[in-house]
Amino acid sequence: ETGVTQTPRHLVMGMTNKKSLKCEQHLGHNAMYWYKQSAKKPLELMFVYNFKEQTENNSVPSRFSPECPNSSHLFLHLHTLQPEDSALYLCASSQDGDSYEQYFGPGTRLTVT
Amino acid sequence: GESVGLHLPTLSVQEGDNSIINCAYSNSASDYFIWYKQESGKGPQFIIDIRSNMDKRQGQRVTVLLNKTVKHLSLQIAATQPGDSAVYFCAENMKTSYDKVIFGPGTSLSVIP
Repeated sequence: ETGVTQTPRHLVMGMTNKKSLKCEQHLGHNAMYWYKQSAKKPLELMFVYNFKEQTENNSVPSRFSPECPNSSHLFLHLHTLQPEDSALYLCASSQDGDSYEQYFGPGTRLTVT
Repeated sequence: GESVGLHLPTLSVQEGDNSIINCAYSNSASDYFIWYKQESGKGPQFIIDIRSNMDKRQGQRVTVLLNKTVKHLSLQIAATQPGDSAVYFCAENMKTSYDKVIFGPGTSLSVIP
């Protein structure tokens, strides 16, 4: 185990639903990330939080809303998603913004119907 | 645009042989490179990294080579084992933004027993 957990592991939701993905890291890290992994595409960085402050938003649609209440927890709130949003959503953490080694969780497999 | 990419999407290797996975990058400003391994059902796992002031770095059974002249990165796995079967990603961290790790599309390594 990497010390980064994600729940749920699998999620099926309709386009009108609202759901949230949760990530928790037990490593004492201060930076957390959300990535999207689609089939046959490279990992796409979505959001970065460093010491609870959002430092990067990679032009992500507003139907994805991140929340970082503390350095150990990261949420991704989802609403009115599209079928093309179906993907594996990965959370990662690193010691801080100067540490490039990231520890990934197992991901949440999201299917939008 | 600038990108990180892999020469071969799939690679099959006989158990016990050495594996070489290649990666091309185009951003000459990148100063840090990372290899990740992703097994089925898991998130990416850090393998080894190298800074741009180095041309070679060795780990346990793995070696990363960096050729800045041709912007090429490779991962060598010695005595490949069935447990090495996974998708391998190279990633670069651009100097201008410590948070910005850009991943390549990945190479799938299959080890034949």
